[in-house]
Amino acid sequence: EAQVTQNPRYLITVTGKKLTVTCSQNMNHEYMSWYRQDPGLGLRQIYYSMNVEVTDKGDVPEGYKVSRKEKRNFPLILESPSPNQTSLYFCASSLWVANNEQFFGPGTRLTVL
Amino acid sequence: ILNVEQSPQSLHVQEGDSTNFTCSFPSSNFYALHWYRWETAKSPEALFVMTLNGDEKKKGRISATLNTKEGYSYLYIKGSQPEDSATYLCAFYAGNNRKLIWGLGTSLAVNP
Repeated sequence: EAQVTQNPRYLITVTGKKLTVTCSQNMNHEYMSWYRQDPGLGLRQIYYSMNVEVTDKGDVPEGYKVSRKEKRNFPLILESPSPNQTSLYFCASSLWVANNEQFFGPGTRLTVL
Repeated sequence: ILNVEQSPQSLHVQEGDSTNFTCSFPSSNFYALHWYRWETAKSPEALFVMTLNGDEKKKGRISATLNTKEGYSYLYIKGSQPEDSATYLCAFYAGNNRKLIWGLGTSLAVNP
């Protein structure tokens, strides 16, 4: 089944404790992206990747890192999480960003205390 | 700064009503316009990706039109059903950009 998976789905952590949210897709998509969704602010892009070893900042990259060592995986790293990173996070992938639909993962709800 | 606006912000209709909402985007450098449906507690799912001026797409009771010259797209739902209740998002891709610009969405509630 074609899908985007994210883990964990839910996470409660404390300020400063490094964490990684994994994202994997099995559709051989070139483009992958991370978003955060906060009430009243819509979907905001954190980072995106056009292909392996090619990543770039989105609109709200501060406090996050990503890597794209393999085509299928695009982990999101929070080196030192802070409470303002409490949010709902979505990973998405597509064949190409422009005119191909985005496939979204199930979301990760992160709470930083 | 590229901006995508959706209106109305929210909408309540009765079952069986037809409804429509708008996505406005910059008319210059247009490349593609996406529509997504986002149900509560789920992930956004693509409805349409539109690229040609005058294009009209349809999926069941949902259809969309595109006017790239004036920078808007309409999404229509015919005979709304409670299962249509969701947030409808549009996203714009400009030819000189490498990411989608998202609107804030229109939240639709269909009362049985």
